Amino acid sequence: EPEVTQTPSHQVTQMGQEVILRCVPISNHLYFYWYRQILGQKVEFLVSFYNNEISEKSEIFDDQFSVERPDGSNFTLKIRSTKLEDSAMYFCASSEFATSGLTFYEQYFGPGTRLTVT
Amino acid sequence: GEDVEQSLFLSVREGDSSVINCTYTDSSSTYLYWYKQEPGAGLQLLTYIFSNMDMKQDQRLTVLLNKKDKHLSLRIADTQTGDSAIYFCAESMDNAGNMLTFGGGTRLMVKP
Repeated sequence: EPEVTQTPSHQVTQMGQEVILRCVPISNHLYFYWYRQILGQKVEFLVSFYNNEISEKSEIFDDQFSVERPDGSNFTLKIRSTKLEDSAMYFCASSEFATSGLTFYEQYFGPGTRLTVT
Repeated sequence: GEDVEQSLFLSVREGDSSVINCTYTDSSSTYLYWYKQEPGAGLQLLTYIFSNMDMKQDQRLTVLLNKKDKHLSLRIADTQTGDSAIYFCAESMDNAGNMLTFGGGTRLMVKP
């Protein structure tokens, strides 16, 4: 069964460094998402991406974050200057299309990348 | 903004039914979901319900939606040790770019 993959599984970085988290969505999917979960807190939406553009973003997704689809398979989340509070599990997800009205498309989640900022 | 709340923990004996509850605040939710997370794994969609439905059954899973009280529940019949996991309630709205808003998760422990 097709699945979303993420690399690395665990990334340790120093405060102020840039990190890039990588995701390979399911191949025929057109919508891509990033979520994060700080330890002990809720899973929070960061951003959705379609047709090489951000379609929706949350308040968390400020100027230090960016997303890119650099080629036909990868979807990346870049954090420019990491802070201690960026330490979290970051989940990538993809869906074939956007759910609308009675037409439902499942968001498939990857296993996550645990980011530790020291 | 939207808020989704769940109790933190539920413990049941193998073979019993489990009921996991969730409340949400936004009455314009279009879909409501139950996701399962096993250790070291991502979020797996178990089931979902469209907001104009009251109930959905899928094998051992029964979802009940009370829109008036903004209450969603997941019943797992004949709970097995393999059902031990964290269960997340979530919602989405049509005009919100498919953004999912999650609850904090309920850890289900199934004792043999």
